[in-house]
Amino acid sequence: GNSVTQMEGPVTLSEEAFLTINCTYTATGYPSLFWYVQYPGEGLQLLLKATKADDKGSNKGFEATYRKETTSFHLEKGSVQVSDSAVYFCALRSFGNEKLTFGTGTRLTIIP
Amino acid sequence: NAGVTQTPKFRVLKTGQSMTLLCAQDMNHEYMYWYRQDPGMGLRLIHYSVGEGTTAKGEVPDGYNVSRLKKQNFLLGLESAAPSQTSVYFCASSYGSAAQYYGYTFGSGTRLTVV
Repeated sequence: GNSVTQMEGPVTLSEEAFLTINCTYTATGYPSLFWYVQYPGEGLQLLLKATKADDKGSNKGFEATYRKETTSFHLEKGSVQVSDSAVYFCALRSFGNEKLTFGTGTRLTIIP
Repeated sequence: NAGVTQTPKFRVLKTGQSMTLLCAQDMNHEYMYWYRQDPGMGLRLIHYSVGEGTTAKGEVPDGYNVSRLKKQNFLLGLESAAPSQTSVYFCASSYGSAAQYYGYTFGSGTRLTVV
C-alpha cells in the first residue's frame, strides 16, 4: 500500500534560515506528490505539487523536486519568514486511487 | 468563491448525544471526503464518496455514518458520541481522476468536543 514518512517535528528556525522538511514515500505505480500547509486555526491548503519524476513544484518561495530514484519529495525554502509558521503535510496519490495518503505533518515555528 | 464550507465550526456534545456535520462544495467536484485530525496522528480518513449516492469506508469509520444525497453535500453523522470522537473534522473535495493533478480542496474544519 501507499505510505508517506515525514521528518518529525517540531522544527524551530530563526527568520531567514534555510528550511528543509524531509518526505519519503512508498507507492504502487507512479504517484503524484503534494505538499499541503495548515496555518493555525485553518484547514489545509495546497502549497505545491509534482506529477512526474524530476518535476519541481514551487510556490511562495517553497520548492520540492520529485525524486523517483530516492522516493523523496523534500520541501525547501531558502529564507523563511515568521509568516511561514504552520504545519506542513506531505501527501501522495496514485493514479486510479480515490484517496490521498498523508504524512503525519511537521510543525514549523519561525522565531524573529 | 466559497469552495468547501463546513458547519458548524465548533460544537460541544455530551456523551451519547447525536449530531450531523455538514459539508457543502460549490466546485462541482465528484469526490468528497471526511477526515479527522488528532495530535501526533496527522489526518485519518473516516469515509469518502466518489459520487452522488455512493459512500465508502476509510481508515477509521467506526462510530460514524455518512450520506451523499446531493452531489454538493456530504454529511457526517455521529449517532452516539463518545469522548474518543473529540477531534477536529475536515471535509475535502476533489475532481475525479483529475485529482491526481489538482489535489484536494479542504474546508476550514469543525472542532468537536465530547464531554
